[in-house]
Amino acid sequence: AQSVTQLDSHVSVSEGTPVLLRCNYSSSYSPSLFWYVQHPNKGLQLLLKYTSAATLVKGINGFEAEFKKSETSFHLTKPSAHMSDAAEYFCVVSQGGSQGNLIFGKGTKLSVKP
Amino acid sequence: DAGVTQSPTHLIKTRGQQVTLRCSPKSGHDTVSWYQQALGQGPQFIFQYYEEEERQRGNFPDRFSGHQFPNYSSELNVNALLLGDSALYLCASSLVGSRDTQYFGPGTRLTVL
Repeated sequence: AQSVTQLDSHVSVSEGTPVLLRCNYSSSYSPSLFWYVQHPNKGLQLLLKYTSAATLVKGINGFEAEFKKSETSFHLTKPSAHMSDAAEYFCVVSQGGSQGNLIFGKGTKLSVKP
Repeated sequence: DAGVTQSPTHLIKTRGQQVTLRCSPKSGHDTVSWYQQALGQGPQFIFQYYEEEERQRGNFPDRFSGHQFPNYSSELNVNALLLGDSALYLCASSLVGSRDTQYFGPGTRLTVL
């Protein structure tokens, strides 16, 4: 069975400081991994996707994530937080392109202080 | 480029009633998936439609059913509503060759009283 665990339910940073949102995954297959962001009362926006081409994945809005198989981790980072980054972030796993069901973590709420 | 659209935005129903939610996929996409997001939780997969057939289903009762039309749009139907069905219902679209790369609509907020 596949699953993801987001290690922090809430992360608070100051504007201009680095962001780290942690995610561990469990999968019997070579997984596809994603990060999505959800702003209040909005749908989900795809930030980035890992397949197997490269372990460091660059996404939109300056976010990137590194796939570490030995640690079964897929942490999301950004060098400098912006006020507009405040939102809920979800780490997601799937079995790959032929399988359509995405499995979401419980989410990490990111707060950004001025 | 039109993204995924859903209607209605909000809906209020009473227990025992039936509801239909609608979704139009992103232009060029042929696969539609539905998710339920309870308050404070991550979305949970309900089912996925491709070529007008249900291809995969999550752990949801038969009260949840769906349909896909020839133009790839989709409906989610929920019968005999329970209080616990109150949630944000999200539709996502994708291409059959990459079903897990999904683009989400804004959702329909369903409240069951």
